[in-house]
Amino acid sequence: GNSVTQMEGPVTLSEEAFLTINCTYTATGYPSLFWYVQYPGEGLQLLLKATKADDKGSNKGFEATYRKETTSFHLEKGSVQVSDSAVYFCALSGRNYGQNFVFGPGTRLSVLP
Amino acid sequence: ETGVTQTPRHLVMGMTNKKSLKCEQHLGHNAMYWYKQSAKKPLELMFVYNFKEQTENNSVPSRFSPECPNSSHLFLHLHTLQPEDSALYLCASSQVGTSGGSSYNEQFFGPGTRLTVL
Repeated sequence: GNSVTQMEGPVTLSEEAFLTINCTYTATGYPSLFWYVQYPGEGLQLLLKATKADDKGSNKGFEATYRKETTSFHLEKGSVQVSDSAVYFCALSGRNYGQNFVFGPGTRLSVLP
Repeated sequence: ETGVTQTPRHLVMGMTNKKSLKCEQHLGHNAMYWYKQSAKKPLELMFVYNFKEQTENNSVPSRFSPECPNSSHLFLHLHTLQPEDSALYLCASSQVGTSGGSSYNEQFFGPGTRLTVL
């Protein structure tokens, strides 16, 4: 079945540091890939997505590129801020009807001033 | 984000109580989901409704009973819960299609209901 693996953290960085959160997946066919973010006390929000190989999703300074050859979708940001402190979830969705989302375990990021 | 709303936001109940969680989506989607998020555990999919029909029940105990009266509303009825059922319960919705597309199954989440079972 489909699955997602991501570094579980926690990850602690200083403000303006470079961020990478690794995500790899196993799936049949060509899934869509997503990063969600969950701020304290809130539900999950879609951060970015990519629907085919070599697509780059980007939002709020975050980027991730769909790498079919390495089955990866690593999240990056060049300069993190304290407000980026949250839990980040990598997820995939199969393209066939009835295939549901599969989420990674989440990575907690803390950014210190 | 007001596309998916959940009430109540917080709920404390005893093990003998009966309560219900409510979810409403204003996005015109045709699928809705219940997830359970416990501390230090991955997100767990509990129930899926596509076109108001339940299509998945991931071995959830019968003390959790879902209801989907229409494509915009989803309930989770709770009775005789256990302390280990304490968690954040998240509702989500999506538009599910029958062929490949760029945005199929992108899920939109509500803020969650924080449930504490005493």
